[in-house]
Amino acid sequence: GQNIDQPTEMTATEGAIVQINCTYQTSGFNGLFWYQQHAGEAPTFLSYNVLDGLEEKGRFSSFLSRSKGYSYLLLKELQMKDSASYLCAVREFGGYQKVTFGTGTKLQVIP
Amino acid sequence: GAVVSQHPSRVICKSGTSVKIECRSLDFQATTMFWYRQFPKQSLMLMATSNEGSKATYEQGVEKDKFLINHASLTLSTLTVTSAHPEDSSFYICSARDHSGGPSSYNEQFFGPGTRLTVL
Repeated sequence: GQNIDQPTEMTATEGAIVQINCTYQTSGFNGLFWYQQHAGEAPTFLSYNVLDGLEEKGRFSSFLSRSKGYSYLLLKELQMKDSASYLCAVREFGGYQKVTFGTGTKLQVIP
Repeated sequence: GAVVSQHPSRVICKSGTSVKIECRSLDFQATTMFWYRQFPKQSLMLMATSNEGSKATYEQGVEKDKFLINHASLTLSTLTVTSAHPEDSSFYICSARDHSGGPSSYNEQFFGPGTRLTVL
């Protein structure tokens, strides 16, 4: 099984930088995803990490440390539209490689 | 990126009726599709893994006789909520993985837009 933890809520100021952490425990790690989800909508893909290190994509970056079971999503130059829930999801190795989601972090960007 | 569609997007039904939700991969083939359920202010919970040509694999605590899954082709999976009750009211989301090895070389999961089920 898997255990994935994220902070429940965070608040940050427009234009600032925010880091959303995710810790996980899994028997067979095969990749970590970050998704953004606005209320009432399906999740949209942000990033994927399978090797240690930082992946940068525009204003969004994601970091992974497999030995620590830890990842973070970094959002730079925050915009009001970034207010959403951010979901960390871990894929298991083997079988159908199912993806399990963490509890999600609701981010509120304030002026 | 690849596109996954769901139909219907919203459904309201009476208690005791059955509801079928379709999930289609529009521009790729998906041997595996996943069905998730999301209650208000909660994260996505995996219900089952749908496999083309074989029986679905259900997560612990999910009743397979209540949530019938049929993966009829490489582009279509259906979830039928049988004898729906108000507690089944939720946001149901499917996702599919592109195994083609194309631009999504890491086998990204693509999500459908979701189906909001309300059982009266």
